[in-house]
Amino acid sequence: GDSVTQMEGPVTLSEEAFLTINCTYTATGYPSLFWYVQYPGEGLQLLLKATKADDKGSNKGFEATYRKETTSFHLEKGSVQVSDSAVYFCALSDRDTGNQFYFGTGTSLTVIP
Amino acid sequence: NAGVTQTPKFQVLKTGQSMTLQCAQDMNHEYMSWYRQDPGMGLRLIHYSVGAGITDQGEVPNGYNVSRSTTEDFPLRLLSAAPSQTSVYFCASSSRGVGLGEKLFFGSGTQLSVL
Repeated sequence: GDSVTQMEGPVTLSEEAFLTINCTYTATGYPSLFWYVQYPGEGLQLLLKATKADDKGSNKGFEATYRKETTSFHLEKGSVQVSDSAVYFCALSDRDTGNQFYFGTGTSLTVIP
Repeated sequence: NAGVTQTPKFQVLKTGQSMTLQCAQDMNHEYMSWYRQDPGMGLRLIHYSVGAGITDQGEVPNGYNVSRSTTEDFPLRLLSAAPSQTSVYFCASSSRGVGLGEKLFFGSGTQLSVL
């Protein structure tokens, strides 16, 4: 079945450091890929998405490229800020496996000044 | 600009009690779903609905019931609460069936403790 595996946390970085959170997936069909972010005490909100191979999703300085050959969708940001402290979830949806999203376990990021 | 509204935000139950978690959306979304979030396990799908009168089970449906009588509302019922149901519950909706690149809109969550 479909699944998402993402880097274990927690991750602690200094402000302005480079961020990478790894995400790989297994899918039966041709999935759409997403990164969601959850700030403390809130629900998840979409950070970025990509719906076909080689597409790059980007938002708020974050980027991720849909790599079909390596089944990956790694999240990157060149210079993190304290306000980026949150939990990040990689997810996929796949029309071939029904009406549901598959989420990774989440990676907690803390950015210190 | 309400989006997805969940109530209550916090709830404490005793084992064996029943309750309903409410979820409403004002975006005319056809697709609605319930997830539970547990440490180290990410989000797991409980039940979902692709329209009024249509519901289906997700990954972890046992102990939960749902119904969808209107497009706007999708309540989640715990018939006899158990400590294993202690979790944070999220309702999410989408304009059409997932799998087509559509994003999910999430509510702010309900933190449930079962003693």
